[in-house]
Amino acid sequence: AQSVTQLGSHVSVSEGALVLLRCNYSSSVPPYLFWYVQYPNQGLQLLLKYTTGATLVKGINGFEAEFKKSETSFHLTKPSAHMSDAAEYFCAVITSGAGSYQLTFGKGTKLSVIP
Amino acid sequence: NAGVTQTPKFQVLKTGQSMTLQCAQDMNHEYMSWYRQDPGMGLRLIHYSVGAGITDQGEVPNGYNVSRSTTEDFPLRLLSAAPSQTSVYFCASSYILGSEAFFGQGTRLTVV
Repeated sequence: AQSVTQLGSHVSVSEGALVLLRCNYSSSVPPYLFWYVQYPNQGLQLLLKYTTGATLVKGINGFEAEFKKSETSFHLTKPSAHMSDAAEYFCAVITSGAGSYQLTFGKGTKLSVIP
Repeated sequence: NAGVTQTPKFQVLKTGQSMTLQCAQDMNHEYMSWYRQDPGMGLRLIHYSVGAGITDQGEVPNGYNVSRSTTEDFPLRLLSAAPSQTSVYFCASSYILGSEAFFGQGTRLTVV
């Protein structure tokens, strides 16, 4: 079974500083990996995804993530944090097989941006 | 484009009451799912569907029922509400396996 671990339930960065949100997954097969963002009192919105091909994936709002198979990681980064990046971020992995389909989320990391 | 529409947005139930949370999508997506979100727990899958007439259980299905009679609709039924079901519920849909999941705005349910 797939699982997703996000290191750090809360991360604080200064405006303009690097954002690094960590995600590790467990999988015996190549996964589909996603990062979603949730702003207060809203649903989730896709930031970026990895399915196949290039391991460095670029998303919206200047975010990117790198799939590292050897480390089973899919960390999210942004070179320079903006106040509008304050939100909760979720890493997710999707699996399928024998007619089943599940999108499994990590527990989330709340990002605070300090002026 | 409406996308994924959930109703109601807020609901208060008494213990033992039943209710249905509605979810509709207008994108002709085959895959639909229900999640609950609790603080510090992320989103946990309740039930999902890979097409009309086909549903399956997720991680936390107890106390909930679903059906999928049409491609567009995927209602979630609480059979006998319990305080442990107080949560925010999200419905999501996606076109094909591995594609982006689109989420509704959520239903905040309180069971007293």
